[in-house]
Amino acid sequence: GAGVSQTPSNKVTEKGKYVELRCDPISGHTALYWYRQSLGQGPEFLIYFQGTGAADDSGLPNDRFFAVRPEGSVSTLKIQRTERGDSAVYLCASSFGLDTQYFGPGTRLTVL
Amino acid sequence: GIQVEQSPPDLILQEGANSTLRCNFSDSVNNLQWFHQNPWGQLINLFYIPSGTKQNGRLSATTVATERYSLLYISSSQTTDSGVYFCAVLPGGSEKLVFGKGTKLTVNP
Repeated sequence: GAGVSQTPSNKVTEKGKYVELRCDPISGHTALYWYRQSLGQGPEFLIYFQGTGAADDSGLPNDRFFAVRPEGSVSTLKIQRTERGDSAVYLCASSFGLDTQYFGPGTRLTVL
Repeated sequence: GIQVEQSPPDLILQEGANSTLRCNFSDSVNNLQWFHQNPWGQLINLFYIPSGTKQNGRLSATTVATERYSLLYISSSQTTDSGVYFCAVLPGGSEKLVFGKGTKLTVNP
């Protein structure tokens, strides 16, 4: 079946602007994760949803970052007042329970 | 928190050569996954291997959970194997994967 999809694939914005990144998980997967990958590093955890609720948001760097999953499927990561340091690849993953996590292709965010 | 160390950080091979990549972790884990990140950035699942040995074509992996390490073997390497290989672990009581810094593999024709 279809894998995890993310839109947009690339996003260029200006410092101070608001952005939304979307993730469509694999159908039937109950868990959804957001990670962030900086150049030359491994992905780092941001937030985890089990169903509609954020079960763990300990990886969000500050209160400019927020994520929702209102119907337990699609999730949106929202970043307010973007800063140049937010530039990275934002990866979404989904799994059924604590089983294998499957990753989407990512959204490359560039803040000018 | 748990530490995940991968070695070597960089590896250059000639096509046809074999290689072993290593992942050490500092605490017990519920899950361990190996990924290949291709040049376009896509993370491709290779193995879900919290313990034991698995094989998939030219790739195989072994995790010795009691000694806190995992090995990824690539045999008869091909240029399409190039990319970064990540080990990621799910610590006990956690839902978040913790990644190593990766091994960058370059296979030359």
